[in-house]
Amino acid sequence: AQRVTQPEKLLSVFKGAPVELKCNYSYSGSPELFWYVQYSRQRLQLLLRHISRESIKGFTADLNKGETSFHLKKPFAQEEDSAMYYCALKNTGRRALTFGSGTRLQVQP
Amino acid sequence: NAGVTQTPKFQVLKTGQSMTLQCAQDMNHEYMSWYRQDPGMGLRLIHYSVGAGITDQGEVPNGYNVSRSTTEDFPLRLLSAAPSQTSVYFCASSYSQGTSENTIYFGEGSWLTVV
Repeated sequence: AQRVTQPEKLLSVFKGAPVELKCNYSYSGSPELFWYVQYSRQRLQLLLRHISRESIKGFTADLNKGETSFHLKKPFAQEEDSAMYYCALKNTGRRALTFGSGTRLQVQP
Repeated sequence: NAGVTQTPKFQVLKTGQSMTLQCAQDMNHEYMSWYRQDPGMGLRLIHYSVGAGITDQGEVPNGYNVSRSTTEDFPLRLLSAAPSQTSVYFCASSYSQGTSENTIYFGEGSWLTVV
């Protein structure tokens, strides 16, 4: 069975500090991983996906198959980054996503 | 292009009542799904559909029914509401797996309280 684990419920940093949101997965096949962000009382938005190796709003994430991780990183946090972040794994059989429990990022001034 | 539209946005139900959460998408997506979002549990898949006339169960299907009579619409029915169904519900849609576009788009959510 596939699973996504986000070990931190809350991550609080000061503005300008580096950020790393952890995500580990278990999946027997070739994984397809995503990070979604949810700002206060808004819909989930795709932040980035590993296959495109892009950087969105200064965030990057690298898939490490050896460690089965897909950690989200940003070198300098901004207050507007405060949100709920979800790591998700594509369930190709169900054409849906398996989500982690989410990490709330709080960037303090 | 409205994307994924959910109604209602807020609803309060009494235990035992039934209701339908509506979901519509105008992107001609084949795949649609319903999730519920609960604190500390992330989003969990309730039901999903890979096309009109085809639906299947997700992780937490009990107490919910779905149908997919058209490509655009994917309503979620609560048969007899229970307080455990108090949650935020998200509808989502995406293109077929055969395309290179794998992004799953979400609606704005429906806040449901069962008292």
